[in-house]
Amino acid sequence: RKEVEQDPGPFNVPEGATVAFNCTYSNSASQSFFWYRQDCRKEPKLLMSVYSSGNEDGRFTAQLNRASQYISLLIRDSKLSDSATYLCVVNTGGFKTIFGAGTRLFVKA
Amino acid sequence: SAVISQKPSRDICQRGTSLTIQCQVDSQVTMMFWYRQQPGQSLTLIATANQGSEATYESGFVIDKFPISRPNLTFSTLTVSNMSPEDSSIYLCSVEVAAGNTEAFFGQGTRLTVV
Repeated sequence: RKEVEQDPGPFNVPEGATVAFNCTYSNSASQSFFWYRQDCRKEPKLLMSVYSSGNEDGRFTAQLNRASQYISLLIRDSKLSDSATYLCVVNTGGFKTIFGAGTRLFVKA
Repeated sequence: SAVISQKPSRDICQRGTSLTIQCQVDSQVTMMFWYRQQPGQSLTLIATANQGSEATYESGFVIDKFPISRPNLTFSTLTVSNMSPEDSSIYLCSVEVAAGNTEAFFGQGTRLTVV
């Protein structure tokens, strides 16, 4: 079993749609959680951290369920510019960071 | 935060040759990380570069193939040695300015094609 598993992609959605990505992690001792965004031919960049209480940044909402070892990212009112690969990232302590395989999102006009 | 300058951004190399990738960070960092990202795949950690000691390699990666230097707290190099077409990939360096609950910063990546 992979340490971090994500929904298989790609997701193809129209502009304005709401799309949700899911991620599970295997190490119950994992300490911190993130969603990164990677544009085509670019390096990954932090989209948002994920907190147990859930957090929202504009159209993006991230949630963490430690009991189920599950992380989610919700994107509302999708824009063309949201098209990218979204990486679920888990830190298991210290400098040990594990990246999920990523989920590709295509937002169509 | 940290700003990382990585070069070259891309290269096309003959099989059997070696390529050295450089990363320069704008601040001192304890750990630097080297990742490989093959087409359509996520990031795989190659090794952790420690200043003043040998790099720590992940399973499947060895020092003879991927020698790493870390001469100071702001700079590291990764060499891809005796290249074959299977080494064609994107190589990324990364830093985390503190352990645990912090953002990882990446260089712009080096797109390597081996012919």
